[in-house]
Amino acid sequence: ETGVTQTPRHLVMGMTNKKSLKCEQHLGHNAMYWYKQSAKKPLELMFVYNFKEQTENNSVPSRFSPECPNSSHLFLHLHTLQPEDSALYLCASSQGGRVVHNEQFFGPGTRLTVL
Amino acid sequence: SQQGEEDPQALSIQEGENATMNCSYKTSINNLQWYRQNSGRGLVHLILIRSNEREKHSGRLRVTLDTSKKSSSLLITASRAADTASYFCATAWPPNAGGTSYGKLTFGQGTILTVHP
Repeated sequence: ETGVTQTPRHLVMGMTNKKSLKCEQHLGHNAMYWYKQSAKKPLELMFVYNFKEQTENNSVPSRFSPECPNSSHLFLHLHTLQPEDSALYLCASSQGGRVVHNEQFFGPGTRLTVL
Repeated sequence: SQQGEEDPQALSIQEGENATMNCSYKTSINNLQWYRQNSGRGLVHLILIRSNEREKHSGRLRVTLDTSKKSSSLLITASRAADTASYFCATAWPPNAGGTSYGKLTFGQGTILTVHP
């Protein structure tokens, strides 16, 4: 499988549930990202990992917990979410490190609905 | 904020016409990128233009960058119905003091392009 994959593609959860989103990249990249895309809002960067180290946390509430066990995998653990967290969550990867021209490759996204 | 702002928010044209979208940003950048997103899907990288470049072409795409005005434009020539999508500009921050770049991009709100057959 090539590119960036995300599972699940759709997720409906209650506010008391705990779930995880998974992202996997098959591009040999070293940087991975989580973005949130809500209706009528710009794409919001949530977290950045570079060589498995978190280098950016864009003031994301603690009910979102990222995990990056290796350069190919990225998780977003969700617990006690709010209805306003319903959105499309996009994962992306890029070459990372000392690379200035940083084209990002995106997965298809997980459409999350919080009831 | 470095956030890009796109103009227009929505554009509706006939197949065969050209489509022009504009992007403005606020601070220094290393490069500016354009992405495309089909409804509810992930973004696809279209083209990257560096801060020292003024124009770049890729197939039917032409991108210009004016760093003095902090603006860029994306031109799609001879549009097709399949070009219907949202188009986003994204600005890349200059490398940090350590000389590395963690690839942080800031996206604009996007232009929704509809091309009618």
